[in-house]
Amino acid sequence: EAQVTQNPRYLITVTGKKLTVTCSQNMNHEYMSWYRQDPGLGLRQIYYSMNVEVTDKGDVPEGYKVSRKEKRNFPLILESPSPNQTSLYFCASSGPGEQYFGPGTRLTVT
Amino acid sequence: GQQLNQSPQSMFIQEGEDVSMNCTSSSIFNTWLWYKQDPGEGPVLLIALYKAGELTSNGRLTAQFGITRKDSFLNISASIPSDVGIYFCAGQLFNAGKSTFGDGTTLTVKP
Repeated sequence: EAQVTQNPRYLITVTGKKLTVTCSQNMNHEYMSWYRQDPGLGLRQIYYSMNVEVTDKGDVPEGYKVSRKEKRNFPLILESPSPNQTSLYFCASSGPGEQYFGPGTRLTVT
Repeated sequence: GQQLNQSPQSMFIQEGEDVSMNCTSSSIFNTWLWYKQDPGEGPVLLIALYKAGELTSNGRLTAQFGITRKDSFLNISASIPSDVGIYFCAGQLFNAGKSTFGDGTTLTVKP
């Protein structure tokens, strides 16, 4: 079954404490992306990756890092989270004619 | 960056009615995508359009890639209660990685 998994699903943390949200896909897709979703602002792309070791900025990359060391994994790293990064985060994986989103990670930074 | 204007922002319709929503952009895209998001879940891809003028159907859903490459339309025929959700359009210009999303259309269907 085609699947994109994210962990954790929920996270409450404090300002400045580094965190990583993992994303994994089982479809051998080349493209993977991270989005954040905020009320009234739709989905905004943070970073995307076109293949292993190839990443590029989306529309809102500030305060985030990513890495793509293996094709199946695309973790999102917040080195020093701030309250304005409180949001719902989605990972997505894309192949020819198809795209799948993960179930989302709800992050709260206090 | 590029921005998409999606309208209407919300719709309240009666079961059985047809629905139309659209997305417009000030710049061109090479691919248009339409998604549906149910509460508490990630978006699900409904239809992908790759060619200007293309008209594609998926069951009761029909989407069109505008001839100017700056807009796209989604129609839902004979709506049913499970059509409730948020519909997003998205555009891609250079590759399947970089996507720009509209702000969504929230659809409510009254039985």
